[in-house]
Amino acid sequence: QLQLLESGPRLVRPSETLSLTCTVSGGSISSRSFFWAWVRQPPGGGLEWIGSINYSGTIYYNPSLMSRVTMSVDTSNNQLSLRLISVTAADTAVYYCARDAVYSSMDYWGQGTLVTVSS
Amino acid sequence: IVMTQSPATLSVSPGERATLSCRASESVSSSLAWYQQKPGQAPRLIIYRASTRATGIPARFSGSGSGTEFTLTISSLQSEDFAVYYCQEYNNWPSGTFGQGTKVEIK
Repeated sequence: QLQLLESGPRLVRPSETLSLTCTVSGGSISSRSFFWAWVRQPPGGGLEWIGSINYSGTIYYNPSLMSRVTMSVDTSNNQLSLRLISVTAADTAVYYCARDAVYSSMDYWGQGTLVTVSS
Repeated sequence: IVMTQSPATLSVSPGERATLSCRASESVSSSLAWYQQKPGQAPRLIIYRASTRATGIPARFSGSGSGTEFTLTISSLQSEDFAVYYCQEYNNWPSGTFGQGTKVEIK
């Protein structure tokens, strides 16, 4: 059974960098049929796609976040990473990683991790 | 693309039918998914390609529609079905826009 687990600091200071890792187990991150996505959800709010990356490093970013986001993949450790710079309180959210089937939907999700931006 | 879900909240008694709507601001063909989210949990895929149930999803869940109008129907609500449901278009995959959600609550 495929499992995804997000990890990283739960508290980030304003103007600093949010960094998260998603570890995939029970399957390979190197499948050609899938990308791996980051999605966030502010408290009480809806879902926002941040970006998607595949095993070879092909990346697509949400244009609204593109200037601040960097995603990467580590196939040797079956992990993907997210960096978001210059954070503000508006970046406070639960951050999820998910498996993103090519030209389809997100079929496996991590449990999510709440990241709070506060001084 | 803007995805608009209605109603925002749907009050239904257990055993009754629930009908949720999702409208796209432009055609997304059949590139539409539905997710269920319970409090404190991640979204769970229940329908993709507008009408195909995901693995392990009970037959009481059905999806329909194409173009700009979509419907998720839960034929007989069970206690475990009370949750928030989101639609998502992926016509310009991987960029995917989610609707704002419909909360299905116990009447």
